[in-house]
Amino acid sequence: LAKTTQPISMDSYEGQEVNITCSHNNIATNDYITWYQQFPSQGPRFIIQGYKTKVTNEVASLFIPADRKSSTLSLPRVSLSDTAVYYCLVGLYDYKLSFGAGTTVTVRA
Amino acid sequence: GAVVSQHPSRVICKSGTSVKIECRSLDFQATTMFWYRQFPKKSLMLMATSNEGSKATYEQGVEKDKFLINHASLTLSTLTVTSAHPEDSSFYICSARKPKREGAYEQYFGPGTRLTVT
Repeated sequence: LAKTTQPISMDSYEGQEVNITCSHNNIATNDYITWYQQFPSQGPRFIIQGYKTKVTNEVASLFIPADRKSSTLSLPRVSLSDTAVYYCLVGLYDYKLSFGAGTTVTVRA
Repeated sequence: GAVVSQHPSRVICKSGTSVKIECRSLDFQATTMFWYRQFPKKSLMLMATSNEGSKATYEQGVEKDKFLINHASLTLSTLTVTSAHPEDSSFYICSARKPKREGAYEQYFGPGTRLTVT
């Protein structure tokens, strides 16, 4: 399983863009990068998944450089309700996802 | 997206009794489901992989006789905590693996079950 490293916490204000970078130096050729969001006492919610370059959906963008050793989740114009723990996971065929500590994002008014 | 449900959402049981938690994929078939445990302010820990029609695969340190997993259909996996003790009190979360057209997979998580053993 590719190990991931991400910041423990980040603070932001409403309306700002939040970028969370995750390092995954040992990513395998077939691995995808997936980000999840978790609120207290809830299961993680799928945010976005990508393999290379850039992926965008209605809630976030995921930027993956050519070497794929890192990825950046971008949350545009965050609101108070975006306060949560964000997890970066790497895997596919070895599909047992291993959760790291995640990044606690706190959005303030 | 996809929907995964868990039942019950919350359960309190006495020490020594058994508790069954259900995990269902509501709008897709899942040949593989996963069970996680999460302690307060900690990350999710994978307990076992549940495969439809075959025995579950347990992670190191997880007692298979204590945490019984059954994946009887493509939409249902159950976790039974046998002879529960207070240290089994935790938040149990299941996930279901959904294939994508491009060959990748996405995992969708249930809302979790809070187990309290008194």
